[in-house]
Amino acid sequence: RKEVEQDPGPFNVPEGATVAFNCTYSNSASQSFFWYRQDCRKEPKLLMSVYSSGNEDGRFTAQLNRASQYISLLIRDSKLSDSATYLCVVLGAGGSYIPTFGRGTSLIVHP
Amino acid sequence: DVKVTQSSRYLVKRTGEKVFLECVQDMDHENMFWYRQDPGLGLRLIYFSYDVKMKEKGDIPEGYSVSREKKERFSLILESASTNQTSMYLCASSFLKGGQETQYFGPGTRLLVL
Repeated sequence: RKEVEQDPGPFNVPEGATVAFNCTYSNSASQSFFWYRQDCRKEPKLLMSVYSSGNEDGRFTAQLNRASQYISLLIRDSKLSDSATYLCVVLGAGGSYIPTFGRGTSLIVHP
Repeated sequence: DVKVTQSSRYLVKRTGEKVFLECVQDMDHENMFWYRQDPGLGLRLIYFSYDVKMKEKGDIPEGYSVSREKKERFSLILESASTNQTSMYLCASSFLKGGQETQYFGPGTRLLVL
Protein backbone atom coordinates (compact mmCIF):
# COMPACT_ATOMS: atom_id res chain seq x y z
CA ARG A 1 0.00 0.00 0.00
CA LYS A 2 1.37 3.38 -0.96
CA GLU A 3 2.07 5.60 2.04
CA VAL A 4 0.21 8.60 0.63
CA GLU A 5 -2.69 8.11 -1.76
CA GLN A 6 -4.70 10.52 -3.83
CA ASP A 7 -7.40 10.12 -6.45
CA PRO A 8 -5.58 11.13 -9.65
CA GLY A 9 -8.72 12.56 -11.26
CA PRO A 10 -9.02 14.49 -13.42
CA PHE A 11 -11.74 16.45 -11.71
CA ASN A 12 -13.50 18.42 -14.41
CA VAL A 13 -15.68 21.19 -12.96
CA PRO A 14 -17.34 24.39 -14.20
CA GLU A 15 -16.29 27.80 -13.00
CA GLY A 16 -17.90 28.66 -9.70
CA ALA A 17 -18.17 25.07 -8.54
CA THR A 18 -16.98 23.74 -5.20
CA VAL A 19 -14.60 20.82 -5.40
CA ALA A 20 -12.96 18.71 -2.72
CA PHE A 21 -9.94 16.41 -2.80
CA ASN A 22 -8.94 13.84 -0.23
CA CYS A 23 -5.60 12.32 0.54
CA THR A 24 -5.05 9.31 2.80
CA TYR A 25 -1.85 8.39 4.60
CA SER A 26 -0.87 5.09 6.14
CA ASN A 27 1.40 6.02 9.05
CA SER A 28 -0.57 7.21 12.06
CA ALA A 29 2.59 8.81 13.47
CA SER A 30 2.83 11.26 10.57
CA GLN A 31 3.70 14.72 11.80
CA SER A 32 2.94 17.44 9.27
CA PHE A 33 0.73 17.85 6.26
CA PHE A 34 0.69 20.15 3.27
CA TRP A 35 -1.00 20.84 -0.04
CA TYR A 36 1.17 21.87 -2.96
CA ARG A 37 0.03 23.10 -6.34
CA GLN A 38 1.81 22.24 -9.57
CA ASP A 39 1.02 23.93 -12.85
CA CYS A 40 1.74 22.18 -16.12
CA ARG A 41 5.49 21.95 -16.77
CA LYS A 42 6.29 23.94 -13.63
CA GLU A 43 7.66 23.09 -10.21
CA PRO A 44 5.40 22.38 -7.21
CA LYS A 45 4.70 25.35 -4.94
CA LEU A 46 3.32 25.36 -1.43
CA LEU A 47 -0.39 26.11 -1.39
CA MET A 48 -1.03 25.71 2.31
CA SER A 49 -0.07 23.81 5.39
CA VAL A 50 -2.73 21.71 7.10
CA TYR A 51 -3.21 22.24 10.80
CA SER A 52 -5.02 19.98 13.24
CA SER A 53 -7.77 22.52 13.77
CA GLY A 54 -8.26 23.06 10.04
CA ASN A 55 -7.35 26.24 8.27
CA GLU A 56 -8.68 28.52 5.59
CA ASP A 57 -7.03 30.80 3.09
CA GLY A 58 -9.53 32.69 0.98
CA ARG A 59 -11.41 30.17 -1.16
CA PHE A 60 -9.27 27.28 0.06
CA THR A 61 -9.93 25.22 3.18
CA ALA A 62 -7.70 22.41 4.41
CA GLN A 63 -8.67 19.89 7.06
CA LEU A 64 -6.97 17.04 8.87
CA ASN A 65 -8.73 13.97 10.22
CA ARG A 66 -6.21 12.04 12.29
CA ALA A 67 -8.66 9.34 13.33
CA SER A 68 -9.35 8.36 9.72
CA GLN A 69 -5.88 9.38 8.53
CA TYR A 70 -6.79 11.71 5.73
CA ILE A 71 -6.46 15.33 4.79
CA SER A 72 -8.74 17.27 2.52
CA LEU A 73 -8.65 20.37 0.38
CA LEU A 74 -11.84 22.25 -0.45
CA ILE A 75 -11.89 24.87 -3.18
CA ARG A 76 -14.91 27.14 -3.33
CA ASP A 77 -16.00 29.27 -6.28
CA SER A 78 -13.50 27.63 -8.64
CA LYS A 79 -11.65 29.84 -11.10
CA LEU A 80 -10.13 28.91 -14.43
CA SER A 81 -6.75 29.69 -12.88
CA ASP A 82 -7.26 26.95 -10.29
CA SER A 83 -6.64 24.37 -13.01
CA ALA A 84 -3.53 22.51 -11.87
CA THR A 85 -2.37 19.35 -10.15
CA TYR A 86 -2.72 19.35 -6.36
CA LEU A 87 -0.15 17.36 -4.44
CA CYS A 88 -0.64 16.07 -0.94
CA VAL A 89 2.55 15.97 1.15
CA VAL A 90 3.02 14.18 4.44
CA LEU A 91 6.02 14.35 6.73
CA GLY A 92 6.76 11.24 8.72
CA ALA A 93 4.65 9.03 6.46
CA GLY A 94 7.41 6.48 6.01
CA GLY A 95 8.44 6.50 9.65
CA SER A 96 11.21 9.04 9.03
CA TYR A 97 11.06 12.80 8.98
CA ILE A 98 11.23 13.29 5.23
CA PRO A 99 8.40 14.39 2.94
CA THR A 100 6.33 11.86 1.05
CA PHE A 101 4.34 13.11 -1.90
CA GLY A 102 1.09 11.77 -3.23
CA ARG A 103 0.88 11.36 -6.99
CA GLY A 104 -1.36 14.37 -7.33
CA THR A 105 -4.95 15.12 -8.24
CA SER A 106 -5.58 16.90 -11.51
CA LEU A 107 -8.20 19.68 -11.54
CA ILE A 108 -9.60 21.18 -14.72
CA VAL A 109 -11.91 24.16 -14.36
CA HIS A 110 -13.82 24.96 -17.54
CA PRO A 111 -15.89 28.01 -18.52
CA ASP B 1 11.89 35.29 -1.45
CA VAL B 2 13.55 31.90 -1.39
CA LYS B 3 15.31 31.11 -4.60
CA VAL B 4 16.30 27.65 -5.75
CA THR B 5 18.05 27.50 -9.08
CA GLN B 6 19.00 24.56 -11.24
CA SER B 7 21.83 24.70 -13.74
CA SER B 8 19.84 23.66 -16.80
CA ARG B 9 16.18 23.66 -17.77
CA TYR B 10 16.69 21.17 -20.60
CA LEU B 11 19.46 18.68 -21.16
CA VAL B 12 20.08 16.05 -23.82
CA LYS B 13 22.71 13.38 -23.16
CA ARG B 14 23.76 10.09 -24.67
CA THR B 15 23.66 6.70 -22.99
CA GLY B 16 26.77 6.12 -20.94
CA GLU B 17 27.62 9.81 -20.44
CA LYS B 18 28.29 11.18 -16.99
CA VAL B 19 25.73 13.85 -16.14
CA PHE B 20 25.90 16.56 -13.50
CA LEU B 21 22.80 18.40 -12.33
CA GLU B 22 23.50 21.37 -10.11
CA CYS B 23 21.18 22.98 -7.59
CA VAL B 24 21.82 26.15 -5.60
CA GLN B 25 19.68 27.77 -2.90
CA ASP B 26 20.22 31.21 -1.46
CA MET B 27 18.39 31.00 1.87
CA ASP B 28 20.88 29.14 4.02
CA HIS B 29 18.59 26.10 4.23
CA GLU B 30 20.11 23.04 5.80
CA ASN B 31 18.00 20.47 4.00
CA MET B 32 18.21 19.77 0.30
CA PHE B 33 16.55 17.10 -1.83
CA TRP B 34 16.64 15.63 -5.31
CA TYR B 35 13.48 14.15 -6.84
CA ARG B 36 12.51 12.82 -10.20
CA GLN B 37 8.98 13.17 -11.50
CA ASP B 38 7.47 10.87 -14.09
CA PRO B 39 3.90 10.72 -15.44
CA GLY B 40 1.71 8.51 -13.29
CA LEU B 41 4.43 8.01 -10.68
CA GLY B 42 4.54 11.40 -9.01
CA LEU B 43 7.62 12.71 -7.25
CA ARG B 44 10.10 10.13 -6.06
CA LEU B 45 12.94 10.96 -3.72
CA ILE B 46 16.40 10.06 -5.00
CA TYR B 47 18.71 11.50 -2.34
CA PHE B 48 18.61 14.10 0.37
CA SER B 49 21.03 15.92 2.59
CA TYR B 50 20.61 17.48 6.01
CA ASP B 51 24.03 19.06 6.20
CA VAL B 52 27.23 19.71 4.34
CA LYS B 53 29.00 16.51 3.33
CA MET B 54 26.05 14.52 4.57
CA LYS B 55 23.82 12.46 2.27
CA GLU B 56 21.06 9.92 2.69
CA LYS B 57 19.47 7.61 0.14
CA GLY B 58 15.89 8.20 -0.77
CA ASP B 59 13.50 5.74 -2.37
CA ILE B 60 15.27 5.31 -5.72
CA PRO B 61 19.03 6.00 -5.36
CA GLU B 62 20.23 3.35 -7.81
CA GLY B 63 22.20 4.83 -10.69
CA TYR B 64 22.66 8.17 -8.92
CA SER B 65 25.09 9.78 -6.53
CA VAL B 66 25.17 13.21 -4.90
CA SER B 67 27.61 15.73 -3.56
CA ARG B 68 27.17 18.48 -0.97
CA GLU B 69 30.47 20.25 -0.48
CA LYS B 70 28.87 23.58 0.39
CA LYS B 71 25.65 24.32 2.21
CA GLU B 72 24.05 26.14 -0.69
CA ARG B 73 24.86 23.60 -3.40
CA PHE B 74 23.59 20.07 -3.89
CA SER B 75 24.66 18.17 -7.00
CA LEU B 76 23.08 15.09 -8.54
CA ILE B 77 25.35 12.85 -10.60
CA LEU B 78 24.35 10.20 -13.08
CA GLU B 79 27.52 8.13 -13.35
CA SER B 80 26.50 6.46 -16.62
CA ALA B 81 23.26 7.79 -18.01
CA SER B 82 20.68 5.32 -19.24
CA THR B 83 17.47 5.85 -21.20
CA ASN B 84 15.32 5.00 -18.17
CA GLN B 85 16.78 8.07 -16.45
CA THR B 86 14.98 10.32 -18.90
CA SER B 87 12.81 12.36 -16.58
CA MET B 88 12.09 15.69 -14.95
CA TYR B 89 14.52 16.29 -12.07
CA LEU B 90 13.48 18.62 -9.28
CA CYS B 91 15.68 19.98 -6.56
CA ALA B 92 14.22 21.33 -3.33
CA SER B 93 15.46 22.94 -0.15
CA SER B 94 13.66 23.29 3.13
CA PHE B 95 13.85 24.65 6.63
CA LEU B 96 12.10 23.76 9.85
CA LYS B 97 10.05 26.52 11.45
CA GLY B 98 7.49 26.11 14.19
CA GLY B 99 7.47 22.37 13.69
CA GLN B 100 6.57 22.76 10.04
CA GLU B 101 9.00 22.02 7.22
CA THR B 102 8.26 23.80 3.95
CA GLN B 103 9.91 22.72 0.75
CA TYR B 104 10.89 25.16 -1.99
CA PHE B 105 11.51 23.76 -5.43
CA GLY B 106 13.74 24.77 -8.28
CA PRO B 107 12.26 25.07 -11.79
CA GLY B 108 13.32 21.55 -12.74
CA THR B 109 15.63 20.04 -15.34
CA ARG B 110 14.12 17.99 -18.14
CA LEU B 111 16.69 15.37 -19.02
CA LEU B 112 16.49 13.32 -22.18
CA VAL B 113 18.90 10.39 -22.51
CA LEU B 114 19.24 9.05 -26.03
